[in-house]
This record gives sequence, structure tokens and C-alpha cells, in this order.
Amino acid sequence: EAGVAQSPRYKIIEKRQSVAFWCNPISGHATLYWYQQILGQGPKLLIQFQNNGVVDDSQLPKDRFSAERLKGVDSTLKIQPAKLEDSAVYLCASRPVGLAGTDTQYFGPGTRLTVL
Amino acid sequence: QKEVEQDPGPLSVPEGAIVSLNCTYSNSAFQYFMWYRQYSRKGPELLMYTYSSGNKEDGRFTAQVDKSSKYISLFIRDSQPSDSATYLCAMSARSRNYGGATNKLIFGTGTLLAVQP
Repeated sequence: EAGVAQSPRYKIIEKRQSVAFWCNPISGHATLYWYQQILGQGPKLLIQFQNNGVVDDSQLPKDRFSAERLKGVDSTLKIQPAKLEDSAVYLCASRPVGLAGTDTQYFGPGTRLTVL
Repeated sequence: QKEVEQDPGPLSVPEGAIVSLNCTYSNSAFQYFMWYRQYSRKGPELLMYTYSSGNKEDGRFTAQVDKSSKYISLFIRDSQPSDSATYLCAMSARSRNYGGATNKLIFGTGTLLAVQP
């Protein structure tokens, strides 16, 4: 079974530029998450999708971050414009529907963003 | 006060040692407790999962949850150099938001473990 795919793996941009990350979850996984992991910290949830609907985006900085999951499969996360403090690893995770009571989220390798 | 506190380490032990990793938390609504292992430049992978209080053993790994003390632990027996990684505790509480069930994970900061051969 293929894992969660993310691209690009690394991205370097200057502040105020825009950037987009792509995630392809494990086939059949209805729930998709985007996390931000700043160096030395644990991942922090940005947004959770159930199929193509948003379940939780309470910690997404909506003035600059946006995410979509068209057709309930792939997802993109965009930052526009980027700030220095956005330098982090952006992790995508997915979870199959039906595992009630469990929280087995499968993570991709992440995209390491550096904002100069 | 952070919802989840974890000693960031780093922790360095000799091969074969018993390793103890710990987290404390403040939210009494947490019901699901997990330990993730994260190798350098990789995404986290689930190592252990526990529901409510108690112990769970899987090979060299044992997870303990004490809800009365709001304290969870991960023990690694006979540690190996391949265990060298960052260990993240994570926990969640079932809740509903935007009409759907959410199981948002709250992570600790992670403990960097190095097992010396």
C-alpha cells in the first residue's frame, strides 16, 4: 500500500512570496489533515477535511493560509503572502473512515519550507 | 500552561538500556493517547495507541496511561541504535465541530533520543 505522498519535499522562498504544497493521501482515506511542525515543536493541526468538507480549521491563519480538497482526494495548502515565521515542515496525514475510536493517522514525509 | 508537556531532551543512552519517556497533560477530556516516532526528515509514524488508563505492551515497547495523574509514559526495553529518533506523545478527545466528528491530535514537543552503540 502506497503511503501519503507530498510535494515538493523542500521549498525556499522569500517573504511575501506565495507557495503551494500538494498532498495525495492513502487511497480510500476519507479524512485528511494538514499540520505545521516548527523546529523543536510537535505538529500543530492547521485544517482537517472529511472527504471534501472542512471539519476543523480553527487554527488556520485564514488571512494568509488556504486549503482545498477538491473531489475528496488530493489536497493543496497555500500560503500567500509568506512570513518568516511560516518556516516549518508542513505535514499531511490521512485516516481511513470507519476506525471509530482510533486516531491512527498516517503521515507523509512533509514539505520543509524556508522563508528568507 | 500548555495542554501537553514533554521533556524535549535530548536523551542519550547506551545500547541495551531501558528508556523512559514521559508526558503530562492538563485537559481531562483526553481519552486517546498515542506515541509517535519521527526519524530525521521523515513524517511521524504511530508506535503505540492506548485508550483511557492502563498499560499496553508491544514487543520492546510499553505504554502506560495514568489518567488520575494526567501522566503518560513510554518504556523502551533493550534499546537499539535504530531506536534513535524523536518520540512524540499525542492525545485527543472526541468532539464535534462544523457538523462532523473531529479527533484533533495535540502533540507534545517531542523528546530526541540517541542510543549509542
